[in-house]
Amino acid sequence: KQEVTQIPAALSVPEGENLVLNCSFTDSAIYNLQWFRQDPGKGLTSLLLIQSSQREQTSGRLNASLDKSSGRSTLYIAASQPGDSATYLCAVMTDSWGKLQFGAGTQVVVTP
Amino acid sequence: EAGVTQFPSHSVIEKGQTVTLRCDPISGHDNLYWYRRVMGKEIKFLLHFVKESKQDESGMPNNRFLAERTGGTYSTLKVQPAELEDSGVYFCASSSPNRGIGELFFGEGSRLTVL
Repeated sequence: KQEVTQIPAALSVPEGENLVLNCSFTDSAIYNLQWFRQDPGKGLTSLLLIQSSQREQTSGRLNASLDKSSGRSTLYIAASQPGDSATYLCAVMTDSWGKLQFGAGTQVVVTP
Repeated sequence: EAGVTQFPSHSVIEKGQTVTLRCDPISGHDNLYWYRRVMGKEIKFLLHFVKESKQDESGMPNNRFLAERTGGTYSTLKVQPAELEDSGVYFCASSSPNRGIGELFFGEGSRLTVL
């Protein structure tokens, strides 16, 4: 049974610092891994999608790596800003039809 | 292009009543999913439609939950009768037909509170 763990559960950093968010999964047989952002009371915004054959994806200040064999992904956010404050969720796609298994999320606060 | 839209955004009902949640996927997305997050837990898969057919309903908690997608467009999720433990946020997502690589796009969720 696939389990997805996100560490830490919460993180507070001063503005300008780089953020490092970790996601681990127990079964390496995944189709892809997706990072989401959720603001309070809002839906999930897709940040990055890494296919199982890829090692990393980049979008602006965001970079996500994937090491499928060790069951890990890391989301890096460079030069954090207060607007980056949100909950970040990772999810692995466990079947070819698109079923996602989510982690519990990391709540990030960036202080000015 | 409109994203995934859900209605209502928040519903408060008494235990034993019925609630129907609606989801409109992104136009052209054959895949439609329902997920939910109950208090303090991770977001969990409920079911998946491909067009109007249920591909996987392994996450549906019990027979008080009924999902439909008539005509392969919008979907409804009915809870009847609602119980206290059904409280949570119900998310809908959609993706394009490409199997195994599709990015899921989520709506803002419908918050259900059962009193």
